[in-house]
Amino acid sequence: DTGVSQDPRHKITKRGQNVTFRCDPISEHNRLYWYRQTLGQGPEFLTYFQNEAQLEKSRLLSDRFSAERPKGSFSTLEIQRTEQGDSAMYLCASLPGLAGSTDTQYFGPGTRLTVL
Amino acid sequence: AQSVTQLGSHVSVSEGALVLLRCNYSSSVPPYLFWYVQYPNQGLQLLLKYTTGATLVKGINGFEAEFKKSETSFHLTKPSAHMSDAAEYFCAVSDQGGNQFYFGTGTSLTVIP
Repeated sequence: DTGVSQDPRHKITKRGQNVTFRCDPISEHNRLYWYRQTLGQGPEFLTYFQNEAQLEKSRLLSDRFSAERPKGSFSTLEIQRTEQGDSAMYLCASLPGLAGSTDTQYFGPGTRLTVL
Repeated sequence: AQSVTQLGSHVSVSEGALVLLRCNYSSSVPPYLFWYVQYPNQGLQLLLKYTTGATLVKGINGFEAEFKKSETSFHLTKPSAHMSDAAEYFCAVSDQGGNQFYFGTGTSLTVIP
């Protein structure tokens, strides 16, 4: 059990560019969550997967955001045409069981995005 | 819908003093409640959680919290603060389906030597 990993840890990009982040959950964890955290705020739910199925998406997830988990293992979060307001820490978390279980979320270290 | 309010964005205590971080929740269904700690440039780590059963929950690093349904509260306490407790603390709530988790805005704890 190596924990949840995220790559890259830091990303600086210019406004209008596309960026993609990767999350590798703990092996065999069924559920995977993406959150956005801005300075002085708690994590805000973006979306979650159960295996490869994307089950819920927040209204915060505009059309410029897309997430995938093609084989039910790692996940990617892509932001197209980045805006300065997208600057934040993007956190990934995984849980072992299916929805309805009382499992603990295990968080990765996050990817800090800065849009210039 | 669920939501969380953390009273006090900054709390300072002396080393060895009682730590009390406040959390009130709103939920239309019986909630699951959580406290997480976050150190700078790191992800969140679970301190403790309440799902069902005993309302006084003990967690790691000497922290505990009590679920009080009548007060819709889940305050975090520790009898004696240690310098290493300085961090950001987040309270969170989810429905029993565990589909979405809602976090408070956090409380930054400073421990004064």
